[in-house]
Amino acid sequence: GEDVEQSLFLSVREGDSSVINCTYTDSSSTYLYWYKQEPGAGLQLLTYIFSNMDMKQDQRLTVLLNKKDKHLSLRIADTQTGDSAIYFCAEKGTGGFKTIFGAGTRLFVKA
Amino acid sequence: EAGVVQSPRYKIIEKKQPVAFWCNPISGHNTLYWYLQNLGQGPELLIRYENEEAVDDSQLPKDRFSAERLKGVDSTLKIQPAELGDSAVYLCASSGYLEGDEQFFGPGTRLTVL
Repeated sequence: GEDVEQSLFLSVREGDSSVINCTYTDSSSTYLYWYKQEPGAGLQLLTYIFSNMDMKQDQRLTVLLNKKDKHLSLRIADTQTGDSAIYFCAEKGTGGFKTIFGAGTRLFVKA
Repeated sequence: EAGVVQSPRYKIIEKKQPVAFWCNPISGHNTLYWYLQNLGQGPELLIRYENEEAVDDSQLPKDRFSAERLKGVDSTLKIQPAELGDSAVYLCASSGYLEGDEQFFGPGTRLTVL
């Protein structure tokens, strides 16, 4: 079945760039997403990219999609302590409306 | 605009007891989702509604879990009887007909079964 994998932890210093990586298996993915979850809260959509795009930039966020390698990344420029959270990669295939989430990457930002 | 509302936020029960969770989606959102989130994991879909119809409940353990969405608005998820392994966060989300099909999540209900 479909699967989404992410590394579990990332630690960066405040002001540096963070890069969170994700791989997925469904070659028919239509949309790929990055969600953020802060403690005690639900998930919040940060950005998404349509599968026919290679890159999307939104303020401090840059999403890169390598469809051949089924690899998605999220770059956060000038990372702040408020960016500390869990980041989930997710994909939606054409087979239905089911969105598959990765296990999340916990980002620690050191002041 | 109010977000997705869930209650209760926390629930502690003993095993074999029943429990119910309530969700009020964003006004106008036709699609409602219930997810299970175990510690250190991403959300896993339990059931998806389009209006009042459950269109994907393949991951819902139907021997003990049930859900309903009366009038296509609010929804209730019930577990009866609860087991120790049901301890998790239960997330509700909703979506409308937007590009990208963004899902809006509630804060979740954290269930602890003792």
